[in-house]
Amino acid sequence: GAVVSQHPSRVICKSGTSVKIECRSLDFQATTMFWYRQFPKQSLMLMATSNEGSKATYEQGVEKDKFLINHASLTLSTLTVTSAHPEDSSFYICSAVHPERLKNIQYFGAGTRLSVL
Amino acid sequence: AQTVTQSQPEMSVQEAETVTLSCTYDTSESDYYLFWYKQPPSRQMILVIRQEAYKQQNATENRFSVNFQKAAKSFSLKISDSQLGDAAMYFCAYRSANPNGSEKLVFGKGTKLTVNP
Repeated sequence: GAVVSQHPSRVICKSGTSVKIECRSLDFQATTMFWYRQFPKQSLMLMATSNEGSKATYEQGVEKDKFLINHASLTLSTLTVTSAHPEDSSFYICSAVHPERLKNIQYFGAGTRLSVL
Repeated sequence: AQTVTQSQPEMSVQEAETVTLSCTYDTSESDYYLFWYKQPPSRQMILVIRQEAYKQQNATENRFSVNFQKAAKSFSLKISDSQLGDAAMYFCAYRSANPNGSEKLVFGKGTKLTVNP
């Protein structure tokens, strides 16, 4: 089946540093990927829609300069948390849309747990 | 805007028995997709079942089936012969089928399912 790989699974960093998270579609090309944030015991909160070859579309309230998204190829989208602070600590999940329109299914990565000290 | 409501924050079931998780949604669209995703303790989001709104027949996947009531905007998930591995958070999600619309998912808040041995 379709697989989405997300790396790293866990990252611990110091306050003020930047962290990059990668999301790859392994067996299909994805023109659209999504980035979510999930707080403990809560649902997924959509942060942005990543479109290959164009700028990402951010949800209201999400800081574009804080969360940089790049979708440079049909199989890779990256989320960079810039100048991370403890309040950015969270679980980040990506997903990719399978290109077969009849399926319209989002496949999810395994998530990245970010801890900012 | 579309909304998805899961009114049961937590549910429990005895192993081998049947449990039904509730989901209602609000939309003005006539064509859309509905999904149930499972998030076990590993936090990997896994697609359980998918329903196209234009299909009257309820989707089934092995022990998982849905009761889709379009007029009532209800989309419940029935898990038969519950297994310990079914313990997880279950999220109901909505996606527009408008070809010019967004592919993003609207999630409910989730239902935590506990399976008792």
